[in-house]
Amino acid sequence: GENVEQHPSTLSVQEGDSAVIKCTYSDSASNYFPWYKQELGKRPQLIIDIRSNVGEKKDQRIAVTLNKTAKHFSLHITETQPEDSAVYFCASGNTPLVFGKGTRLSVIA
Amino acid sequence: DGGITQSPKYLFRKEGQNVTLSCEQNLNHDAMYWYRQDPGQGLRLIYYSQIVNDFQKGDIAEGYSVSREKKESFPLTVTSAQKNPTAFYLCASSIGGQHQETQYFGPGTRLLVL
Repeated sequence: GENVEQHPSTLSVQEGDSAVIKCTYSDSASNYFPWYKQELGKRPQLIIDIRSNVGEKKDQRIAVTLNKTAKHFSLHITETQPEDSAVYFCASGNTPLVFGKGTRLSVIA
Repeated sequence: DGGITQSPKYLFRKEGQNVTLSCEQNLNHDAMYWYRQDPGQGLRLIYYSQIVNDFQKGDIAEGYSVSREKKESFPLTVTSAQKNPTAFYLCASSIGGQHQETQYFGPGTRLLVL
């Protein structure tokens, strides 16, 4: 089955800097790669996703890149703000999705 | 994700007691999922269902049971066999079908043992 590794587990950045979170996956048949943001005590919410037929997708300050050959994908957040502080999860697979263990991002004002 | 509801928000379980967590969706989704989240941990899959009257075990199904009698509903029972049930339980749904689509999560139920 699919295995997803996510790094780093914690990340602290200064406000305005960029943050990058990386995930690797094992199943070459996986074709859907979403990223979720979870604030403390709340539900995970989808922030961006990418399918295997594209290499990059951008939505304002958030972008995701996918390298199918190397089986890894990354989340990039530019111009970070304090409200970006949360736990971020990557996921991969078909049905069901397999989630990474999460990255706790702290943006320091 | 506003179309998925979970109840109750908090649930207390006594030793040896079975408790049932509710999950309802009005998104007309075929697939539904239950995850367990422990503090500082990721999402671990308990059970999932791709169609009414069918469901499959996830990675940590022991001590849990589910049913899928209606498309809109996927209740999870935490049995007395689950020795460490304290966790945050999240239900999710997706359109379903051959290819994976976005999963939408409910607000969660926090289960505590008395």
